[in-house]
This record gives sequence, C-alpha cells and structure tokens, in this order.
Amino acid sequence: QVRLQQWGAGLLKPSETLSLTCAVFGGPFSGYYWTWIRQPPGKGLEWIGEINHSGSTNYNPSLKSRVTMSVDTSKNQFSLKLKSVTAADTAVYYCARDFEGVVGLWGQGTLVTVSP
Amino acid sequence: QAVLTQPSSLSASPGASASLTCTLRSDFNVSSYRIYWYQQKPGSPPQFLLKYKSDSDNQQGSGVPSRFSGSKDASANAGILFISGLQSEDEADYYCVIWHGSTSVFGGGTKLTVL
Repeated sequence: QVRLQQWGAGLLKPSETLSLTCAVFGGPFSGYYWTWIRQPPGKGLEWIGEINHSGSTNYNPSLKSRVTMSVDTSKNQFSLKLKSVTAADTAVYYCARDFEGVVGLWGQGTLVTVSP
Repeated sequence: QAVLTQPSSLSASPGASASLTCTLRSDFNVSSYRIYWYQQKPGSPPQFLLKYKSDSDNQQGSGVPSRFSGSKDASANAGILFISGLQSEDEADYYCVIWHGSTSVFGGGTKLTVL
C-alpha cells in the first residue's frame, strides 16, 4: 500500500526558509507528479507546485519567486523550500501524488507556523 | 476576481439533493476545462471525488458512490457537483479545481451542512 510520510520544521520566524520533505513508501516514484498543497488554518487549499522524478517542475505563479522543489530518486523523496516566509505562509502543508491531474494520495500534513 | 468561485456555504436536508457550483471567471471558458472535485472532512486531507469535462469525458474516484456526479452549466460558465440522497456523512468542505496549462487552481471551497 503506497503511502506518503512528510516531515519538517513546524515553527519558523519571519524571513526564514520553510523546508519540508516527503518520502514515498510502497510504490513507484516515476510516472507521477509529486505535489505540495497548503491550507491556512480555517481557510481553503492552495496549490504550491509539483515536480516529477526527472526534476521537471511547475510552480504556482504567485509563489514561484520563493519556491524551490527538488527530488532525491535514490531515496524516493521530494522536498519543498519556501524562502522569506511571513505569517501569511502559516498553513498545513500537504505533500501529495498527482496522476493525470488527479491528486489521489496525500501525506498526513504538517502544520507550519510563522511567528516572531 | 478569483479564477474559480464557490459559494462559501450550503445547507440541505438528509435525503435531499444538493448542487454545488464552481463558477469560472469570464476569461476561462468552462467548456475547455475538466473540473475536479474534492471532499475534505475536518482534520483530514482532501479526497478526490470525480472529474468532469463532458458526459463522455469524466471519471469517478475509486469507491466514490454514484450519488456524486458532475456536470456543467455552460450558460453560467460553471461546473456543478451534484449530490443526491444526502447523508450526514456528506457534511464536509468541497473544492473544485482546474488545470490551466501546467498549473492547478483551487476554488475557495463550499462548506456543505446536512441538517
């Protein structure tokens, strides 16, 4: 059974860099786009971007200047970095798997809080 | 103006039907897009329900009851998630999504209350 497990720092100060990693267990890494989506507390979902096993990326234009995604195919892992965070970046961050536009597998979510 | 607009809330009675709309901004023609629908319950990540472009181009999520169906209203430039025979377990937030080129856009979500 394929599952995603994600981790990273949950408390950041303004201007720091958010860093999250997601590992894929029990299934193939290639053939999918690996996605990051976030959800501020009590609010809606926002697509951050995606990356495939070859490192090809697509980013949300509104976040593109601050986002970097990467993959480590030797470990079946993918990562998100978001620089210069502010309080507006406080959210639950989900890693997920996208196949042909359908996000059908999600990580457990990580709450990242940005506070002075 | 947001690309996808959903009513913030909707209430309906058990056993009734509900139509959740997802209106595309006027520069996005609904006929050109697949509309993806997700359900999210408190404390859990969203779950894929279905995608709909046309009656011949649509897909139900694995295990999703046939009570959930998709359609479009071209005159309103909107995608519709129709839920029949509402059950208490359908109470959740519902999000529509489109892909515009290589980027994905979420609607703001509709909170469906079944009471």
